[in-house]
Amino acid sequence: DTVLTQSPALAVSPGERVTISCRASESVSTRMHWYQQKPGQQPKLLIYGASNLESGVPARFSGSGSGTDFTLTIDPVEANDTATYFCQQSWNDPTFGGGTKLELK
Amino acid sequence: QVTLKESGPGILQPSQTLSLTCTFSGFSLSTYGMGVGWIRQPSGKGLEWLANIWWDDDKYYNPSLKNRLTISKDTSNNQAFLKITNVDTADTATYYCARIDPLLSVDYWGQGVMVTVSS
Repeated sequence: DTVLTQSPALAVSPGERVTISCRASESVSTRMHWYQQKPGQQPKLLIYGASNLESGVPARFSGSGSGTDFTLTIDPVEANDTATYFCQQSWNDPTFGGGTKLELK
Repeated sequence: QVTLKESGPGILQPSQTLSLTCTFSGFSLSTYGMGVGWIRQPSGKGLEWLANIWWDDDKYYNPSLKNRLTISKDTSNNQAFLKITNVDTADTATYYCARIDPLLSVDYWGQGVMVTVSS
């Protein structure tokens, strides 16, 4: 399995820039995707193919990376960005990261 | 407008077979490149990709669960199905049906159906 490692939690203030990282145990090329999940809701696709913004997603969200290291950036962070963010790779058998819980100070 | 909705038994006993149905609209599983998959999430935990099926009936199964999973589709009725045999308490989770794009990302998710395995 390709293991995706994410930091468990982050806390930032509204208006700041936040980067959420995802490290793969082996190269996944640019087949990395990012999702936002709010409590009690299904996940929502934000970024696909490492850096492509899904239609309808605010341009405050961006993604970068290739190979094993990937980043989701939110700039600026807004109050309603409080959520858990998951990365997912599809280069090998699809797997998800454990999620990063973003809290607002 | 793409929508997906899962249905299932709610609760079942260990060793039984879990049968899930996904009813979708806004796209067709007979269209080139389209796929539907199943992903689950135990309460408070992460996501696990279970299986997906493509427009051409090609199927993928999570290797760790492959022996217990069967995915199928009914294109004419816009439905997809998942069966999991011999369930136990570790299969307790919210099960999501999802539209899968050719990059194997999930561009649309159902609202999820909670399944509890308990004796």
